[in-house]
Amino acid sequence: DAKTTQPPSMDCAEGRAANLPCNHSTISGNEYVYWYRQIHSQGPQYIIHGLKNNETNEMASLIITEDRKSSTLILPHATLRDTAVYYCIVRPGRGAQKLVFGQGTRLTINP
Amino acid sequence: NAGVTQTPKFQVLKTGQSMTLQCAQDMNHEYMSWYRQDPGMGLRLIHYSVGAGITDQGEVPNGYNVSRSTTEDFPLRLLSAAPSQTSVYFCASSWTPNTEAFFGQGTRLTVV
Repeated sequence: DAKTTQPPSMDCAEGRAANLPCNHSTISGNEYVYWYRQIHSQGPQYIIHGLKNNETNEMASLIITEDRKSSTLILPHATLRDTAVYYCIVRPGRGAQKLVFGQGTRLTINP
Repeated sequence: NAGVTQTPKFQVLKTGQSMTLQCAQDMNHEYMSWYRQDPGMGLRLIHYSVGAGITDQGEVPNGYNVSRSTTEDFPLRLLSAAPSQTSVYFCASSWTPNTEAFFGQGTRLTVV
């Protein structure tokens, strides 16, 4: 599985857009980019995933660069409840379920 | 629809004891897995299963056994607990590798 690099921490003001970057320069053609988050000590929660096109759902948007070597997760209007550790993960589109979690980014939303 | 249910939520074991962490899902997912999370670290894969009767090792399998006799259940057995196994354990399931994984709320295990 490709290795990802994320900043260890970020801050964002409540109501603003939170943009979380992720580098995955060794990603291969069949690997997807997934984002999960973990609020406090709860189980991780799926946010979004994509292959090469930008994706949007009710929680967030995922922007993947054309060369697919990096991506950005966007929380459009961050709330205090979005304070969590965010994990960027790359994994093959087929094969066994293997989510390889790195250190993630600790996002703090400030009032 | 309860999702992924883990029991117990908390457990204290003495070194050398054995126990089974239970994981059950009611979504008819084929894929299930176990992770451990040590303080301040990301999750590490212990074992996973692609369907009933099929299991495989993950990143840190030593000291743990799994079995998958039904689609719904995927128990994790600690054979002889060691302090190094003190951790939070998460179980996850999903339809396929491409779809979102649902996680349980975790089992906090302390080995003294």
